Amino acid sequence: KAGVTQTPRYLIKTRGQQVTLSCSPISGHRSVSWYQQTPGQGLQFLFEYFSETQRNKGNFPGRFSGRQFSNSRSEMNVSTLELGDSALYLCASRKTSGGGSDTQYFGPGTRLTVL
Amino acid sequence: QQQVKQSPQSLIVQKGGISIINCAYENTAFDYFPWYQQFPGKGPALLIAIRPDVSEKKEGRFTISFNKSAKQFSLHIMDSQPGDSATYFCAASTFYDYKLSFGAGTTVTVRA
Repeated sequence: KAGVTQTPRYLIKTRGQQVTLSCSPISGHRSVSWYQQTPGQGLQFLFEYFSETQRNKGNFPGRFSGRQFSNSRSEMNVSTLELGDSALYLCASRKTSGGGSDTQYFGPGTRLTVL
Repeated sequence: QQQVKQSPQSLIVQKGGISIINCAYENTAFDYFPWYQQFPGKGPALLIAIRPDVSEKKEGRFTISFNKSAKQFSLHIMDSQPGDSATYFCAASTFYDYKLSFGAGTTVTVRA
């Protein structure tokens, strides 16, 4: 079974621009979560989507948003980029029923650099 | 506010030795405690996970010990190998949401 895929793998943007990152979950997984990883703050939860609805949200400003499509694929958008948004953005998928529904499987991440 | 505290920040162990990483939490609603392994340039990969109804879980060379009363859990890597050199994260989540709260990570270096 294919794992979680994220595109693009690398992005370079300048301050003030916006960016959209994409995530395709493991087949059959209906929940997608996004995390930000930085050397200073570590791994931080951004939000979770399930059945095209945001179920949970972390402590990030409104510039960070996301959505989920009917095929469970998800996108994350960051508007008005700041230097501090440079990070590895990780997507994780989870099946939502049956055994092992707690387990989140991570993709390889998208490395965003803001100049 | 970090909900899961992890130590040490880094450790070096000889091949064949034991690596021990400790985590502590405050939120008593946490009921799922996974450990993730991350190599440079890769996303975190689930290593092993435990629920608070058991005190220990072993999978191969990896063992989680869990102390509910002390609100602490630890990862033991037995017979450490150079391929185990990676960053390890403990995490926790509650039964009512699946938001993972991560520890700061421990970089393990296994010397041959």
